[in-house]
Order: sequence, then structure tokens, then C-alpha cells
Amino acid sequence: TQLLEQSPQFLSIQEGENLTVYCNSSSVFSSLQWYRQEPGEGPVLLVTVVTGGEVKKLKRLTFQFGDARKDSSLHITAAQPGDTGLYLCAGERTGANNLFFGTGTRLTVIP
Amino acid sequence: EPEVTQTPSHQVTQMGQEVILRCVPISNHLYFYWYRQILGQKVEFLVSFYNNEISEKSEIFDDQFSVERPDGSNFTLKIRSTKLEDSAMYFCASTPQGVKKSTDTQYFGPGTRLTVL
Repeated sequence: TQLLEQSPQFLSIQEGENLTVYCNSSSVFSSLQWYRQEPGEGPVLLVTVVTGGEVKKLKRLTFQFGDARKDSSLHITAAQPGDTGLYLCAGERTGANNLFFGTGTRLTVIP
Repeated sequence: EPEVTQTPSHQVTQMGQEVILRCVPISNHLYFYWYRQILGQKVEFLVSFYNNEISEKSEIFDDQFSVERPDGSNFTLKIRSTKLEDSAMYFCASTPQGVKKSTDTQYFGPGTRLTVL
């Protein structure tokens, strides 16, 4: 089983603060994807990182893939209430045709 | 923008009954997937499907489960004899070329909430 652990599991912060969510594994993945999931809906892709050390930015969100391709982080700058949601990382194994999802981080941004 | 659709949004069934969950993937996509998410737990892969056959399946996908593409648009997940522990959100997803293409995006449907009583 390819286990992806996310931390923290729950995060509650004030609007305007910065935060980082971590996604860690002992396994190597060919790519890492970050999703956001709203209650009662399916996951929506935010970004895919493929190369070790890769950094991608999506407005106030910065995603990084670890050099060894075993971990990833999501950093949000100046969080807003609209950022509230469940953030999921998911890894793809080389040669496989499915995603292994992380345990999720539930973020609440308080106005 | 094209999207994956799923029906029904909520299915309630008695233990031991058969259920069929339906999905319409994005029309030009070739790979299809089913995932499930038990309440409060992570999303888990069930099965992937390509060219009218199962490409991969997880240990969760036992003989009680089957998938089918009965026509050119629908992709179904059947659970033959439901158990209490089958209660979960079931998500369908599709990709143009499959996850093996690292830059390929999996598009998820809104899910079907299955409740087994």
C-alpha cells in the first residue's frame, strides 16, 4: 500500500495568515497531484507536479515536489475564507494507472 | 466545459441488494475510474477501465464488484450484494489518455452517496 500522509489533518487559521500543508510518503511517485474537495462534490485538480524539486504557483498557492519525489507541500499566502476546504494530495506510481490519495487536510479560514 | 456526471446523487438500499451506479465520462476520454470515499476517510482507488476491459483493480474490488461500459457513453459500477461497509461516496473519473501520462488530468464526477441499511 502506497501511504500518503498529510499534515496537519485539521487547520484553522485567521484570514491573512500563511499556512503550509505537507504530504509525505516513503514511496517514490512519478507525479503528485493536489486536489481540493468541497462537501458533497468530487475532488477538483489544482496542480500536478512531475519533476523532483519542481515548484508551481497558482495565484496565492505554491506547490513543491520534493527532490526525491516522495513528498510535496502546499503553501498558501494570505489565506482567505474562500480557501476553506479539504485539500488532498494524490500520487501516481510509475507504470500504474490509478492515484493513491492522501489522508487530507481540512482547512478553515476564519474571517 | 465538459464534465463527468454521475447518477443518482444519493442511493439508499437494503443490505444484500444489488446496486448500479452510473457515470457518464467526458466524451473523448479513454480511461475511466471508480474511487470510493468512506465518510471521514481518504479517497480509495477501486478500478480503472480501458478499451472495454479492466486495466487495474485494487484489493477492495472483489467479486462483488463489476464494471461495464454498456454503450458509448455510460460507465457503470455494480455491487451485487451490498454490505453495510459499502456505504460510501463513489466517484467516477476519466482521463483522455490515462494516468500513465503524468501530465494527464483525472476529472472527477460529483459522486454518488451510497447508503446501505
